[in-house]
Amino acid sequence: LAKTTQPISMDSYEGQEVNITCSHNNIATNDYITWYQQFPSQGPRFIIQGYKTKVTNEVASLFIPADRKSSTLSLPRVSLSDTAVYYCLVGEEAAGNKLTFGGGTRVLVKP
Amino acid sequence: GAGVSQSPRYKVTKRGQDVALRCDPISGHVSLYWYRQALGQGPEFLTYFNYEAQQDKSGLPNDRFSAERPEGSISTLTIQRTEQRDSAMYRCASSLEDRVGEQYFGPGTRLTVT
Repeated sequence: LAKTTQPISMDSYEGQEVNITCSHNNIATNDYITWYQQFPSQGPRFIIQGYKTKVTNEVASLFIPADRKSSTLSLPRVSLSDTAVYYCLVGEEAAGNKLTFGGGTRVLVKP
Repeated sequence: GAGVSQSPRYKVTKRGQDVALRCDPISGHVSLYWYRQALGQGPEFLTYFNYEAQQDKSGLPNDRFSAERPEGSISTLTIQRTEQRDSAMYRCASSLEDRVGEQYFGPGTRLTVT
């Protein structure tokens, strides 16, 4: 499984856009990029998944450049409730099985 | 609909005792996963099942840990002769198909070994 690198923490303010970049230099051709969110005392929650270019859903956008060696999760207009740990994961869709979580990025949204 | 449930939510046991942690996945979900999460760290994969078949148990730390899913639904993670280092949050997740992507996590069982 490809290794991922993301910032340990980020601070933001309510109403701002938060962008978290994840590096995955060794991503394989069949790998997908998946982001999870985890609030304190809860299990991780799937946010978004993509393979290339841009994916958008009601929660976030995921930008993936052509070389796919990095990806950026964009959270528009964050609120205090978006304070959480965000994990970037890379893995082969067809492989199923394990998700390999790194340390994640702790995002603190301030009033 | 109901999400993934786990029981007990909290378990305190003495060193050397056996414990059994239960996971009830979302109805119809084929795959079931067990993770362990230490405070301040991301979840660590332990094992996973497709239906009743254990597909990968490479993450189980040692032979004191075992898991089963006999009827392809509810799963039990058993830790024999518990040690203090086994203390952690144990999380279960399930997914609709055998694919990396959207796994639904339960609330976890906080295990404390004294």
